[in-house]
Amino acid sequence: NAGVTQTPKFRVLKTGQSMTLLCAQDMNHEYMYWYRQDPGMGLRLIHYSVGEGTTAKGEVPDGYNVSRLKKQNFLLGLESAAPSQTSVYFCASSRSLQRNEKLFFGSGTQLSVL
Amino acid sequence: AQKITQTQPGMFVQEKEAVTLDCTYDTSDPSYGLFWYKQPSSGEMIFLIYQGSYDQQNATEGRYSLNFQKARKSANLVISASQLGDSAMYFCAMSLSGGYQKVTFGIGTKLQVIP
Repeated sequence: NAGVTQTPKFRVLKTGQSMTLLCAQDMNHEYMYWYRQDPGMGLRLIHYSVGEGTTAKGEVPDGYNVSRLKKQNFLLGLESAAPSQTSVYFCASSRSLQRNEKLFFGSGTQLSVL
Repeated sequence: AQKITQTQPGMFVQEKEAVTLDCTYDTSDPSYGLFWYKQPSSGEMIFLIYQGSYDQQNATEGRYSLNFQKARKSANLVISASQLGDSAMYFCAMSLSGGYQKVTFGIGTKLQVIP
């Protein structure tokens, strides 16, 4: 049972390069999220999606774009990477908007921008 | 605005002892959920336990229990009989509904279990 799968697990970019992080879930969840984790700051929401074809900005959206063309996939793009985007990125999904609904997380992507 | 505060950057506990990880929260919404997640060194976030704001009894999941004190706005995680595999980062989080699942995370507590 795969759950939420993120690729790649590690990536090193030079400033100005672009890349796409892929998130795939096999639980038929409607809601998907991208978070970044930085030391001393917890997890912060970048973008989220409430269904196929819909995306919205979260707490820290600048410098990122997302797409959800298929229900099971949620892509996070960096068009022109900056050192401030060095972080660990987590994708998550949830089944509903009930307040007791837990998040299912991927294993994370460690991104370094030099 | 909602906020989660975890004031213990790091904690040590002897194997087989119990440990309490502190979490306080702030929200004006009367309906919310409180979660604890574990993040081992491998990196993935693992759900541990959930407590709803209207739940009368403290939540328990095996060796994990959540000490919920609503008036004090605290939601401490208690791990009984610590094991070496409990060494990890622990995050407290609060969930509010509202168009999407608004989850606010604390900065985490690093727990190290000593043999």
